[in-house]
Amino acid sequence: EIVLTQSPGTLSLSPGERATLSCRASQSVSSNYLAWYQQKPGQAPRLLIFGASNRATGIPDRFSGTGSGTDFTLTISRLEPEDFAVYYCQQYGSSPPRTFGQGTKVDIK
Amino acid sequence: EVQLAQSGAEVKKSGESLKISCKSSGYSFSNYWIGWVRQMPGKGLEWMGIIYPGDSDTRYSPSFQGQITISVDKSISTAYLQWSNLKASDTAMYYCARHPSGYDRSPFDYWGQGTLVTVSS
Repeated sequence: EIVLTQSPGTLSLSPGERATLSCRASQSVSSNYLAWYQQKPGQAPRLLIFGASNRATGIPDRFSGTGSGTDFTLTISRLEPEDFAVYYCQQYGSSPPRTFGQGTKVDIK
Repeated sequence: EVQLAQSGAEVKKSGESLKISCKSSGYSFSNYWIGWVRQMPGKGLEWMGIIYPGDSDTRYSPSFQGQITISVDKSISTAYLQWSNLKASDTAMYYCARHPSGYDRSPFDYWGQGTLVTVSS
């Protein structure tokens, strides 16, 4: 089972600032099959990024994903008020389970 | 428009059985993998398992194998998650979610609204 470790646990930033979230895998993620999701309180997760760097339909271009192998990054270039949420990475390249990271909370400073 | 509509909140006792549902619309149900994700109170997301409605091919997380059953009824485009012997530790929000293709190595692109299951001891 691939273990995904996200850091930091909490990121306290102000609107307009840049957010950089990390996701590190315990072994290489096959074909860079790594996704990022956003979850707001009381809502289901929403797909942001798939294949490590591809934005899902309707996702603003201030969200970008980079990385390969075991190290992946989600960057939000300029935080909007609606971006304050919890972010999860998920690998879907290995045999089940298709594990999630433990999440990074982006909150308002 | 793709929609996944989950059944309502449940309150059960330890040892009871439960089956929750996820009704799909807006796409060809048989041709897309669909899965279940657990979120315990205040915690992160846990991948439970997936099923391909076309042939009911099912994959479980080792953590949940033997504890749950995932099934579908193609005639009504509905996926199910069931327990035969609930425990208090099954208290959580459960989400169904769809893969965007017939290839299971893909992310979840559409999610249901969640079903809250509360199990008292």
